[in-house]
Amino acid sequence: RKEVEQDPGPFNVPEGATVAFNCTYSNSASQSFFWYRQDCRKEPKLLMSVYSSGNEDGRFTAQLNRASQYISLLIRDSKLSDSATYLCVVIIYNFNKFYFGSGTKLNVKP
Amino acid sequence: NAGVTQTPKFRVLKTGQSMTLLCAQDMNHEYMYWYRQDPGMGLRLIHYSVGEGTTAKGEVPDGYNVSRLKKQNFLLGLESAAPSQTSVYFCASRKDRTNSPLHFGNGTRLTVT
Repeated sequence: RKEVEQDPGPFNVPEGATVAFNCTYSNSASQSFFWYRQDCRKEPKLLMSVYSSGNEDGRFTAQLNRASQYISLLIRDSKLSDSATYLCVVIIYNFNKFYFGSGTKLNVKP
Repeated sequence: NAGVTQTPKFRVLKTGQSMTLLCAQDMNHEYMYWYRQDPGMGLRLIHYSVGEGTTAKGEVPDGYNVSRLKKQNFLLGLESAAPSQTSVYFCASRKDRTNSPLHFGNGTRLTVT
């Protein structure tokens, strides 16, 4: 079983839609969580950290569910520019290990 | 701040040739990493460093060597390039061993023919 699993998608949504992605992790010792965005042929860029109480940054909301071992990303009022691949990253920093999901592709259509 | 800078951006090598990829960061980060990304494989860790003068193997270290002689630089070497090393290489840095995130360079696209 992979340490971090994501639905590869693609998620095809119209502009203005709300879309949510989940990312499940297998190691209960996981301690830090992030969402990254990667555009085609570009480097991953930090979108947001995920905090235990949940956090919001504009149209983006991240949640952590430790009991069920998943994190989620909600995007409201999707824009064309949100089209990208979204990677979840889990850190087990007692062991200094990062685990990347394989990414979820989002296509926002006019 | 430039952040994490990788050079070169593109390179084409013939099988058996050698080259060095340079990664430089100006954020005074302790930790630095080299990843490769292939279609359908995601990001895979090649080597990493937890401080100046230290290096360690990641999950796919074979065929690569690294050096961290200065805190701000992390070099990735290919001694004898193989077609299987055709990939996009990303360098990343991180402040320290806490919940600090990775910051990536803009990548080096390498083709080995």
